[in-house]
Amino acid sequence: AQSVTQPDIHITVSEGASLELRCNYSYGATPYLFWYVQSPGQGLQLLLKYFSGDTLVQGIKGFEAEFKRSQSSFNLRKPSVHWSDAAEYFCAVGEDDYKLSFGAGTTVTVRA
Amino acid sequence: NAGVTQTPKFQVLKTGQSMTLQCAQDMNHEYMSWYRQDPGMGLRLIHYSVGAGITDQGEVPNGYNVSRSTTEDFPLRLLSAAPSQTSVYFCASRGGQGNQPQHFGDGTRLSIL
Repeated sequence: AQSVTQPDIHITVSEGASLELRCNYSYGATPYLFWYVQSPGQGLQLLLKYFSGDTLVQGIKGFEAEFKRSQSSFNLRKPSVHWSDAAEYFCAVGEDDYKLSFGAGTTVTVRA
Repeated sequence: NAGVTQTPKFQVLKTGQSMTLQCAQDMNHEYMSWYRQDPGMGLRLIHYSVGAGITDQGEVPNGYNVSRSTTEDFPLRLLSAAPSQTSVYFCASRGGQGNQPQHFGDGTRLSIL
């Protein structure tokens, strides 16, 4: 069975500071891993995904994530956060992106 | 380009009523999925389809039916609504080639009284 754990329910970060969101997964084979962002009242938008190859993945809006097989992790990072990055972030795993298992999400608050 | 369109955006039902949530995409996508989102639980897959005429169950299919008679439409039916089905429902679609991103609709917020 596949599952995703996002240990942090809520993170508050100052504008301009760095951000790291944690994601741990359980999956029986080589996983496809995703990070999505959801703004209030909106659907989800794909930030980045990992299928294979380079374990450091670049995404949109200045985000990157690193796949670490030994730690079963896929943490999301951004060097300098902008106020517009306040949203809910979801990590997901699956054999393909049309049938995913999602984590419970991490809400990011950005303070001025 | 409308993308993924979900209707209605909001709905209130009484226990036992039936209802169909509509999902349409205009991108000729093969893959379509329905998820429900509940507080503190992320999204959970209800049903998905890999093409017209082909559907399969996800993680939480009980109480829901789907059909895929056309590529564009993937309606989700609640046969007899229950309060436990109060949730926000998202439809998503993706093209056939593996590197294409999945597109989500804006959701339907459903309350069952």
